[in-house]
Amino acid sequence: EAQVTQNPRYLITVTGKKLTVTCSQNMNHEYMSWYRQDPGLGLRQIYYSMNVEVTDKGDVPEGYKVSRKEKRNFPLILESPSPNQTSLYFCASSFLSSGSYNEQFFGPGTRLTVL
Amino acid sequence: DQQVKQNSPSLSVQEGRISILNCDYTNSMFDYFLWYKKYPAEGPTFLISISSIKDKNEDGRFTVFLNKSAKHLSLHIVPSQPGDSAVYFCAALTQGGSEKLVFGKGTKLTVNP
Repeated sequence: EAQVTQNPRYLITVTGKKLTVTCSQNMNHEYMSWYRQDPGLGLRQIYYSMNVEVTDKGDVPEGYKVSRKEKRNFPLILESPSPNQTSLYFCASSFLSSGSYNEQFFGPGTRLTVL
Repeated sequence: DQQVKQNSPSLSVQEGRISILNCDYTNSMFDYFLWYKKYPAEGPTFLISISSIKDKNEDGRFTVFLNKSAKHLSLHIVPSQPGDSAVYFCAALTQGGSEKLVFGKGTKLTVNP
């Protein structure tokens, strides 16, 4: 089954304790991206990757890191989480556009609470 | 500054009637406009898209209309079904760059039996 998986689905942690949220896709997509969803703000892009070893900042990258060592995986790293990073996080992937829109497939989400 | 706006946080319609969800945008450089549907505890799923060079795209019960002069698009669902109850996000995309989807805040649609 074609899918984007995220782990963990739920996480409660404390300020300053490093954490990683994993994202994996099995569709051989070049493009992967992380979004966060906050009440009243919709989804905002954190980081994206156009291919292996190619990553770039989105709209709200502060406090986050990413890596793309393999095509299928795109982990999101919070080196020193803070309460303002409490949010619902989504990973997405797609083929790169080539004249038409390529659907972005989203993972199920990771609900993170930083105390 | 919000580039994609959904001004109605919620909409309630009766089963069998038409649901119309609206979206406005400010950036005339967008190449595609999309609608995503989101159920609780799930990720958004793609529903329908429209190229900026088109004014209508239809897929079954779902039709998206684009009015470029007004920078406005709408999603029509006919007939509405209780299973359509979800949050609908309007999004826009500029190709050739970050492939970033710029989302609106979403409209929660409730279809009453």
